[in-house]
Amino acid sequence: DGGITQSPKYLFRKEGQNVTLSCEQNLNHDAMYWYRQDPGQGLRLIYYSQIVNDFQKGDIAEGYSVSREKKESFPLTVTSAQKNPTAFYLCASTGPNQPQHFGDGTRLSIL
Amino acid sequence: AQSVSQHNHHVILSEAASLELGCNYSYGGTVNLFWYVQYPGQHLQLLLKYFSGDPLVKGIKGFEAEFIKSKFSFNLRKPSVQWSDTAEYFCAVKYNAGNMLTFGGGTRLMVKP
Repeated sequence: DGGITQSPKYLFRKEGQNVTLSCEQNLNHDAMYWYRQDPGQGLRLIYYSQIVNDFQKGDIAEGYSVSREKKESFPLTVTSAQKNPTAFYLCASTGPNQPQHFGDGTRLSIL
Repeated sequence: AQSVSQHNHHVILSEAASLELGCNYSYGGTVNLFWYVQYPGQHLQLLLKYFSGDPLVKGIKGFEAEFIKSKFSFNLRKPSVQWSDTAEYFCAVKYNAGNMLTFGGGTRLMVKP
């Protein structure tokens, strides 16, 4: 079945550590997105990529980095510069004239 | 800046009650409108979408939404809720045929059995 796979489901970060969240899709979608979900704030866009080897900052990109070396993959790194990383992270993808499809999310917590 | 507002943050209803969740968006030209639902422990799922045509849109599980252009609104409705409708609901808007979605803050719905 086609879909979006995010891993791991739960992740813990120590102070000063970078961690990378995985997002893979087999929907042949060009566009991929990373959102952060906090209670009462909905989903806020971190980074997005419309095509391979290209990505753009979203509304809250500070402290995060991404890469898009393959169409299927859009990993997100939460760097030590992100001072409040505890959140639920959602990856999404879409094709032309389609709604966004979402993965199951990764919950990141600080040790 | 483009924004989407969901005015009800928490809604508690009894089973069989009618539901209406508000969604208003800021003006920004042509829009595509979406409602997503997130059941406890699950990923976001599309409930319904509006791209063009009939402003009354039918979705899954008995949900519907009405696009009122003059009011910049896209309210979600269901005539009779069930306990299984307990979830968080998100309104989202895509402006000017782009791929970017702007989300509202979400509404947590609890349905009491």
